[in-house]
Amino acid sequence: DAKTTQPNSMESNEEEPVHLPCNHSTISGTDYIHWYRQLPSQGPEYVIHGLTSNVNNRMASLAIAEDRKSSTLILHRATLRDAAVYYCILRDSPEYGNKLVFGAGTILRVKS
Amino acid sequence: EAQVTQNPRYLITVTGKKLTVTCSQNMNHEYMSWYRQDPGLGLRQIYYSMNVEVTDKGDVPEGYKVSRKEKRNFPLILESPSPNQTSLYFCASSLDSSVPEAFFGQGTRLTVV
Repeated sequence: DAKTTQPNSMESNEEEPVHLPCNHSTISGTDYIHWYRQLPSQGPEYVIHGLTSNVNNRMASLAIAEDRKSSTLILHRATLRDAAVYYCILRDSPEYGNKLVFGAGTILRVKS
Repeated sequence: EAQVTQNPRYLITVTGKKLTVTCSQNMNHEYMSWYRQDPGLGLRQIYYSMNVEVTDKGDVPEGYKVSRKEKRNFPLILESPSPNQTSLYFCASSLDSSVPEAFFGQGTRLTVV
């Protein structure tokens, strides 16, 4: 599985945008970039995914570098409920069983 | 409400006493899997199932069994639990193996003494 690198932790103020970076320099052409988050005492929660183009949904935006060696998860207005561990995950083609390989992730702290 | 339900949420047991952690989803998902989460090791996949009666090993299957007799249920069985299976367990499901969005249960914290 291709490896991702994320900062251990980040801090943000409430109501401000947050940019969570992820490096994946060994990404292959078929790897999708997924983001999940895990709130305290809960199971992981899907946030967003993409392959080459930038993506938006109701939770966040995903900006993917042109060479695909890095990506950024953007929370447009952080709230206290966004405090969580955020995981950047690369996933192989689906025939490998849809396994998600979670790294250490980034602990996001949101200050009021 | 669409959800993945695990039971029990917390369990303390003794070495060697067989136990089952249940997992049920109400979304008619084909793909289900089990993960364990340990400090410093992240989440690791134990077993997965592509559909009814189809199961396969993940990265850390030793000491675990699963079954998939019906689409909605995917129980995790520990025939003879040992202390190194003390962990936080998550069940997950997705529509099928090609869909990126997986839904996770709330977790089962297991302690084996």
